[in-house]
Amino acid sequence: DIVMTQSPSSLAVSAGETVTINCKSSQSLLSSGNQKNYLAWYQQKPGQSPKLLIYLASTRESGVPDRFIGSGSGTDFTLTISSVQAEDLADYYCQQHYSYPLTFGSGTKLEIK
Amino acid sequence: EVQLVESGGGLVQPGRSLKLSCLASGFTFSNYGMNWIRQAPGKGLEWVASISSSSSYIYYADTVKGRFTISRDNAKNTLYLQMTSLRSEDTALYYCARRMGPYYYVMDAWGQGASVTVSS
Repeated sequence: DIVMTQSPSSLAVSAGETVTINCKSSQSLLSSGNQKNYLAWYQQKPGQSPKLLIYLASTRESGVPDRFIGSGSGTDFTLTISSVQAEDLADYYCQQHYSYPLTFGSGTKLEIK
Repeated sequence: EVQLVESGGGLVQPGRSLKLSCLASGFTFSNYGMNWIRQAPGKGLEWVASISSSSSYIYYADTVKGRFTISRDNAKNTLYLQMTSLRSEDTALYYCARRMGPYYYVMDAWGQGASVTVSS
């Protein structure tokens, strides 16, 4: 199974700051066939269901603000949230969509100071 | 509007069974793979099971293999999760989620979840 390791587990920032969340996979998520990285990011706001933000490491889902940026390749990935807003208060999870069993990172709790 | 509505959750004793349902609307259900993902209280997300659009391909997490069965009825736009031999560690909010498309194993639509509590 592919193990997903997320860091940090929590962080607190002020509105307007930039946030970086890291996700590392135990094996490469880069497909040799199409050179795409099979890594997704989800946002889960308090009391709500998860919402897909990014897939294929850097492709934003429709309607997701462009301040959410996914990057990385192979085994190391990053979700960057620029100019954080109060509404970004949430838990963020990475997920490898390379192979079954599908696996998630342990999550990062983002708090707004 | 895509909607996924889970039902069937509740309190059940260890060793007993429970069946969850997920009624889909707002899209052509028979064209999409579907998933169950769970979240234990205060914990992260755990993928449970997946089923392809025609039920040809089914996958389970090792933690539920042999105890849970995922199925679907495309005529009724409904996804199911039959859970047997339930354990306390199965206590969680169970989400029904749509697979984005045929090529990517990501979930682009989620229900609100069905709560399952396994306790004596």
